[in-house]
Amino acid sequence: DIQMTQSPSTLSASVGDRVTITCRASQSLSGWLAWYQQKPGKAPKLLIYKTSSLESGVPSRFSGSGSETECTLTISSLQPDDFATYYCQQYKSYPWTFGQGTKVEIK
Amino acid sequence: QVQLVQSGAEVGKPGASVKLSCRASGYSFTSYYIYWVRQAPGQGLEWMGKVDPRGGSTDYAQTFQGRLTMTRDTSTSTVYMELSSLRSEDTAVYYCARANVPSGSWHFDYWGQGTLVTVSS
Repeated sequence: DIQMTQSPSTLSASVGDRVTITCRASQSLSGWLAWYQQKPGKAPKLLIYKTSSLESGVPSRFSGSGSETECTLTISSLQPDDFATYYCQQYKSYPWTFGQGTKVEIK
Repeated sequence: QVQLVQSGAEVGKPGASVKLSCRASGYSFTSYYIYWVRQAPGQGLEWMGKVDPRGGSTDYAQTFQGRLTMTRDTSTSTVYMELSSLRSEDTAVYYCARANVPSGSWHFDYWGQGTLVTVSS
């Protein structure tokens, strides 16, 4: 199984801050990585797919980048609506696996 | 518009089974795989498996082998997920999600609203 290690687990930031979340994979993902945002009591929402492709309708302040085994999600200027938990997910090989999640909190 | 609408909350006893549904609308049902993901209270996301609505083929996470069955009904565009031999650790919110197979990138682009399953005697 591909292990996904996401960091940090919690992040305290202010509105306007630049925020970066990292996911490391135990083996090459060949780009097959997605990022999701989840708010309490809601289903996850797709932000980024194939490492760096922005899902339609997602604000351009979200971006993704990465190599074969390390990917990052960046929020260029944190907005009030962005306080949530973020998950990375590999879909290179079964079983698909998720990172442990990063909770972005208000500083 | 694309929608995945899941059935309502369930309470199951230890050792029993639960069967959840996920009704799809707004797209070609047989063109996209449906996956199930669960989330225990306060925990992260766990991939369970998938069903291909076209032919009904399935793939399950090893963790659930022997306890998990996914089926589909093309006449109603509905996917079912049955989990048997319930234990307390199965208490979770269960989500169905659509994989964007036609794009060549199988990310989850639409999710159901989730169904809470509580295992309790």
